[in-house]
Amino acid sequence: GENVEQHPSTLSVQEGDSAVIKCTYSDSASNYFPWYKQELGKGPQLIIDIRSNVGEKKDQRIAVTLNKTAKHFSLHITETQPEDSAVYFCAASIWGGGFKTIFGAGTRLFVKA
Amino acid sequence: DAGVIQSPRHEVTEMGQEVTLRCKPISGHDYLFWYRQTMMRGLELLIYFNNNVPIDDSGMPEDRFSAKMPNASFSTLKIQPSEPRDSAVYFCASSLEGENTEAFFGQGTRLTVV
Repeated sequence: GENVEQHPSTLSVQEGDSAVIKCTYSDSASNYFPWYKQELGKGPQLIIDIRSNVGEKKDQRIAVTLNKTAKHFSLHITETQPEDSAVYFCAASIWGGGFKTIFGAGTRLFVKA
Repeated sequence: DAGVIQSPRHEVTEMGQEVTLRCKPISGHDYLFWYRQTMMRGLELLIYFNNNVPIDDSGMPEDRFSAKMPNASFSTLKIQPSEPRDSAVYFCASSLEGENTEAFFGQGTRLTVV
């Protein structure tokens, strides 16, 4: 089955700096890679996703890259703000009928003001 | 839509008792997922349903765990008997099949078994 590894487990950055979180997956059939943000006491919430036919996607300060050959994908947050502090999860799934999403272990991001 | 609704938000029970967690998915969503979150194991998929039918329950840890989806708007996760190691936050999520496969999560139920 699919296995998703995520690094680092904890990341501390200064406000305004960039943050990068990296994930690898094992199942080459996976074709949908969402990123979720979880704030304290809440459920994970999708912040951006990427499909296997795209190499990069950007949404304001957030960008994701995908390397299908190497089976890894990354989340980039630029100009970090204190409200970006949360736990971030990468995930991998096979889109289209009978899919399930497997999550990475999570990265706790601290943005210091 | 109010989103995925879970109840209760918190549950404290004694070891050996039966626990039932409830979930109301977003109307129109045809997939429903139950996840368990712990510090040690992160987010684990327990079981998921498609159109009320269980598709994959390989993540259910033991026979003490069972899940049902009697209709499109309601699902339960039951633990009987409960044990202290079942203490975790349990999330329900729902999604649509097709182009938009985002999973929408509920607020979770924090279960403490003493």
